[in-house]
Amino acid sequence: GAVVSQHPSRVICKSGTSVKIECRSLDFQATTMFWYRQFPKQSLMLMATSNEGSKATYEQGVEKDKFLINHASLTLSTLTVTSAHPEDSSFYICSASDRGRGTDTQYFGPGTRLTVL
Amino acid sequence: TQLLEQSPQFLSIQEGENLTVYCNSSSVFSSLQWYRQEPGEGPVLLVTVVTGGEVKKLKRLTFQFGDARKDSSLHITAAQPGDTGLYLCAGEPYGQNFVFGPGTRLSVLP
Repeated sequence: GAVVSQHPSRVICKSGTSVKIECRSLDFQATTMFWYRQFPKQSLMLMATSNEGSKATYEQGVEKDKFLINHASLTLSTLTVTSAHPEDSSFYICSASDRGRGTDTQYFGPGTRLTVL
Repeated sequence: TQLLEQSPQFLSIQEGENLTVYCNSSSVFSSLQWYRQEPGEGPVLLVTVVTGGEVKKLKRLTFQFGDARKDSSLHITAAQPGDTGLYLCAGEPYGQNFVFGPGTRLSVLP
């Protein structure tokens, strides 16, 4: 149980285009989903916390107008990188929390490798 | 300032050796998780420890949660090349957001 999927796994786009990444909890309902980015050989950096039916909470230094997050249902959250630039190239990982299990454990998706040319 | 510190940052050992990775904080955690991440993939949950002093075993991996719930350790017995990866501890300090440690990058050489 507690499987999280992400789509796409890899995306290459031109500078200035927008890219949407989907995160789905497959076998549980996730009231809260999280979006991270990870640079090579570094740990995960939290970008934002997404709550179903409400606005996402962004970490300091993360531009909410650039990284649009929508959590429309208990099983789906999307991250849209708008007007992507080469510096946005990174590994984006989502996670979902199943509070029904009584802990704050997060279950992670397989990640999306974004390359902006 | 990192809420969670991990040591060592890098570890390269021979197959068959034992090792311990430490995760420390000055904050109290309701629970701590250990994840392993391989290149190009998302972190995979290994264990969640909840009770102070708790010890959990997962085959050759032994996890311990400190009595004060501020620290944890991961011990691997007879390491194998398949254990190679980035080991991350993580958790939610009381009243704060979920945080990750910086990770320990383990390389087990055949």
